[in-house]
Amino acid sequence: EIVLTQSPGTLSLSPGESVTLSCRASQTISNNYLAWFQQKPGQAPRLLMSIASSRATGIPDRFGGSGSGTDFTLTITRLEPEDFAVYYCQQYGSSPWTFGQGTKVEVK
Amino acid sequence: QVQLQESGPGLVKPSQTLSLTCTVSGASMSSGSYYWTWIRQSAGKGLEWIGHIHVSGTTDYNSSLKSRVTMSVDTSKNQFSLNLSSVTAAETAVYYCARWTPRRSFVIWGQGTLVTVSS
Repeated sequence: EIVLTQSPGTLSLSPGESVTLSCRASQTISNNYLAWFQQKPGQAPRLLMSIASSRATGIPDRFGGSGSGTDFTLTITRLEPEDFAVYYCQQYGSSPWTFGQGTKVEVK
Repeated sequence: QVQLQESGPGLVKPSQTLSLTCTVSGASMSSGSYYWTWIRQSAGKGLEWIGHIHVSGTTDYNSSLKSRVTMSVDTSKNQFSLNLSSVTAAETAVYYCARWTPRRSFVIWGQGTLVTVSS
């Protein structure tokens, strides 16, 4: 099973700031099949990024993904009020598909 | 647009079987190469992939749950289901159904349903 470790656990930021979230895998993720999700309280996760860097439909270009192999990042430039949420990475390169434990981006 | 909706008991007794159904609307389950998936989220274990089923009947289950999980699909009703036997209190969680799209992962999710395991 591939274990995904996200860091940091929590970030306290102000609107307008930029942020980089990290996701590290315990082994190489096949085909860079790494997704990022955003989750707000009481809601299901929402897909932001697939194959590490491909934005999902309707996701603004202030969200960017990068990385390959075992190290991946999600960057959000110029945080908007609606971006404060928990972010999860997820690998679907090999079964069982697994999620990271999440990074919370909170208002400072 | 495609929507998913979970349904089932919100309370299950320990050692009993948790049964949930996901109803798909807005498109036929039989169109496309999707995997119909169950995921749960608890405070203790975060997001956990339970497994998935294809309309052909092919399944893949999380090895940690494999001995207790059964999934099925009913294309005539545009539904798929989850049975998880011998549940414990630690399996209290929000259970989501989702549609997995090749190369893109979980594009569409249900709203989730809270299942509490308690006597």
